[in-house]
Amino acid sequence: AQSVTQLGSHVSVSEGALVLLRCNYSSSVPPYLFWYVQYPNQGLQLLLKYTSAATLVKGINGFEAEFKKSETSFHLTKPSAHMSDAAEYFCAVSEFLRGGGGNKLTFGTGTQLKVEL
Amino acid sequence: NAGVTQTPKFQVLKTGQSMTLQCAQDMNHEYMSWYRQDPGMGLRLIHYSVGAGITDQGEVPNGYNVSRSTTEDFPLRLLSAAPSQTSVYFCASTDTGTEGETQYFGPGTRLLVL
Repeated sequence: AQSVTQLGSHVSVSEGALVLLRCNYSSSVPPYLFWYVQYPNQGLQLLLKYTSAATLVKGINGFEAEFKKSETSFHLTKPSAHMSDAAEYFCAVSEFLRGGGGNKLTFGTGTQLKVEL
Repeated sequence: NAGVTQTPKFQVLKTGQSMTLQCAQDMNHEYMSWYRQDPGMGLRLIHYSVGAGITDQGEVPNGYNVSRSTTEDFPLRLLSAAPSQTSVYFCASTDTGTEGETQYFGPGTRLLVL
């Protein structure tokens, strides 16, 4: 089974500073990788996904992530943090479900991003 | 287009009570899933369905039942609630037409079992 490790359950940055949220995956084959964002009391919203095309993936709200196979990493970055970026971020890797059930997402444990003035 | 809807938003149950969490999608997706979210554990797959009449177990299925009589609806049933089932439950619907099969999540149901 695949697994996802998110380093740092809480990250705090100043407004305007670089955001770096780390994600490492375990997979023997090139996976599909996702970043989701969850605002308080809401469901998960897709930020971006990697599907074996370009290794640098751009998402919504100025976020991007780079797939590095040699490091089995898919870190999420944003050049300049905004107060509205405060949320919980989840990295996920997909694997095929048996019986043609599409993909199952295996999630990391999440990183809570705090943005300070 | 409402996407994925879930009801209720909040629910308090006593141990041993039963209830059904409702999930509906209007995107005509065949694949639907139920996850539970617990602090420090991310989201874990409970059950999933690949189409009407077809369901299968995820990684934490014990204590939950599902059925899929229509493409639109995928209810999750707790037959005898336990405090360990206190969690936030998310339903997801999968768009298989996009590379990587994007999952769309509902707003969640917060369940407290006393």
